Amino acid sequence: ELKVEQNPLFLSMQEGKNYTIYCNYSTTSDRLYWYRQDPGKSLESLFVLLSNGAVKQEGRLMASLDTKARLSTLHITAAVHDLSATYFCAVDIRSGTASKLTFGTGTRLQVTL
Amino acid sequence: DAGITQSPRYKITETGRQVTLMCHQTWSHSYMFWYRQDLGHGLRLIYYSAAADITDKGEVPDGYVVSRSKTENFPLTLESATRSQTSVYFCATKEGKNIQYFGAGTRLSVL
Repeated sequence: ELKVEQNPLFLSMQEGKNYTIYCNYSTTSDRLYWYRQDPGKSLESLFVLLSNGAVKQEGRLMASLDTKARLSTLHITAAVHDLSATYFCAVDIRSGTASKLTFGTGTRLQVTL
Repeated sequence: DAGITQSPRYKITETGRQVTLMCHQTWSHSYMFWYRQDLGHGLRLIYYSAAADITDKGEVPDGYVVSRSKTENFPLTLESATRSQTSVYFCATKEGKNIQYFGAGTRLSVL
């Protein structure tokens, strides 16, 4: 059974600080996604990482993938309040008739002044 | 461009009632998915469909039924609702190996 673990589950950080969210998964996959969810809203795709060593950056967020270590990171640089949300990683595994996502439990990020 | 439409957005029902949650897409994506989101569990896959008339179980299918007679619709039915099915339900679609796009969600309360 595929397990996807994120840590921390909750992160309170001050504006301007840097931090990293970790996503570990238990089986081989070469495709990993990061999603953002605002309270009461749907999920918005942030990044898709397709191969070992992949790095994607958008604004203050940077995601990376190490398939050998089965680890992805989401690094936040100089956090701002607008980044407050819950972040999910999701691992893509093919079985049955489709490739399917298994989600981590999410990291709730709160950026304070 | 409506994309994915879920209805209703909010639903309150009683235990034992049958409830159907609707998901409609305008993109003609092949794949459609139903997830439930509960605190502490992230999103868990209930059922998915690779094409019309092809459906398959996900991680937590018990108590749910799906059908897909048309590409654009993927209804999820709770045949006899239980309190443990109180959750937020998300429908998602994708085409090929592309990213999944999520609907706005349906918040279901079973009393």
